[in-house]
Amino acid sequence: DAGITQSPRHKVTETGTPVTLRCHQTENHRYMYWYRQDPGHGLRLIHYSYGVKDTDKGEVSDGYSVSRSKTEDFLLTLESATSSQTSVYFCATRGDRKGYTFGSGTRLTVV
Amino acid sequence: GESVGLHLPTLSVQEGDNSIINCAYSNSASDYFIWYKQESGKGPQFIIDIRSNMDKRQGQRVTVLLNKTVKHLSLQIAATQPGDSAVYFCADSGTGNTPLVFGKGTRLSVIA
Repeated sequence: DAGITQSPRHKVTETGTPVTLRCHQTENHRYMYWYRQDPGHGLRLIHYSYGVKDTDKGEVSDGYSVSRSKTEDFLLTLESATSSQTSVYFCATRGDRKGYTFGSGTRLTVV
Repeated sequence: GESVGLHLPTLSVQEGDNSIINCAYSNSASDYFIWYKQESGKGPQFIIDIRSNMDKRQGQRVTVLLNKTVKHLSLQIAATQPGDSAVYFCADSGTGNTPLVFGKGTRLSVIA
């Protein structure tokens, strides 16, 4: 989606390794979010940010950390990946309205 | 926490017919609701939104209805087309700046 870039788009990693997913936006939006999407669960909030260095936990934050050192970048880190973290990860930003704009997603497989 | 749910996980409709996708929410204080469409391999895309002070809002071929009495909203798609085949999510914004809570989604399949 225009203005939001997620990288990498696909990644396969081994259990126990650290993984960092990146979300980059060019919209200068204050709010940014990380969701994971799994069959039967829809989209679940992992962490979100309401400004540089301001972050908060979501519904499924265990095993994840985030950092936002500048407005345009929001990083999601899995300190020690587990098979239960195999999922599709979406980043989103929120503009003036309360609706979100989503990135194209990162498909992560932990083997 | 608050939950947002959908009545039907799958819906199949004939091309040209109207589609209705339903959603129940539990937070009576929620002031904003959104419908998203997600095509295979893509991120969710905004379709239409509605504020709690409205009962109905229309877009191009789509209408969202909000019934606050029973905490229910629906998405109506007129003259459903093959390109409408996707998963549809409702989302509930709660109040203030709380993050969106998404329903589990309904898969709409259009039969040509």
